[in-house]
Amino acid sequence: QKEVEQNSGPLSVPEGAIASLNCTYSDRGSQSFFWYRQYSGKSPELIMFIYSNGDKEDGRFTAQLNKASQYVSLLIRDSQPSDSATYLCAVNMNDSGAGSYQLTFGKGTKLSVIP
Amino acid sequence: GAVVSQHPSRVICKSGTSVKIECRSLDFQATTMFWYRQFPKKSLMLMATSNEGSKATYEQGVEKDKFLINHASLTLSTLTVTSAHPEDSSFYICSARRDATDTQYFGPGTRLTVL
Repeated sequence: QKEVEQNSGPLSVPEGAIASLNCTYSDRGSQSFFWYRQYSGKSPELIMFIYSNGDKEDGRFTAQLNKASQYVSLLIRDSQPSDSATYLCAVNMNDSGAGSYQLTFGKGTKLSVIP
Repeated sequence: GAVVSQHPSRVICKSGTSVKIECRSLDFQATTMFWYRQFPKKSLMLMATSNEGSKATYEQGVEKDKFLINHASLTLSTLTVTSAHPEDSSFYICSARRDATDTQYFGPGTRLTVL
């Protein structure tokens, strides 16, 4: 059973702090990992993708991947109220079937940045 | 950029009518597109995988005769909700996978209300 697990939150952080969002996945052979942001009532927006172990930085966002432990995380530095949204972790799992490029999504973590 | 459009953004229709939703990748080719449905405060649910030039692959429990998918070109997929009923009211979101990658970009979504 392919699974992507996220803490549903809400995760509350004060403005300016670092928000840390975590995700674990079940398929050890997974190769591609994505973070999407979804504002209430809107569609998901791609923030970052990561393929290799280690850190990948893009502006205030850092994705971290540890394939041995099967977890991927997203750090948001200098959090702003506009970062308040639900963050979706998505994984392209080997067993998605049909060579399909399907992504398995976590249920999302709701982040609230308090001014 | 990687822009995906959806049309219409919002539609209200009477029970029993059919509604067509278009999904276009504006600046990249997408052999594969995906259709999702999301109910309020719930997770994304994959409905089907749409491949250019071939039949769509539907997820378990999704009626292929009710949700007709056509992927006529490398930049356009359509979803037709046939004989819509109030329980079909939902937020329908497409995504397009950029060719030669496994990255999905989402359209802005279509909010369907069936009276």
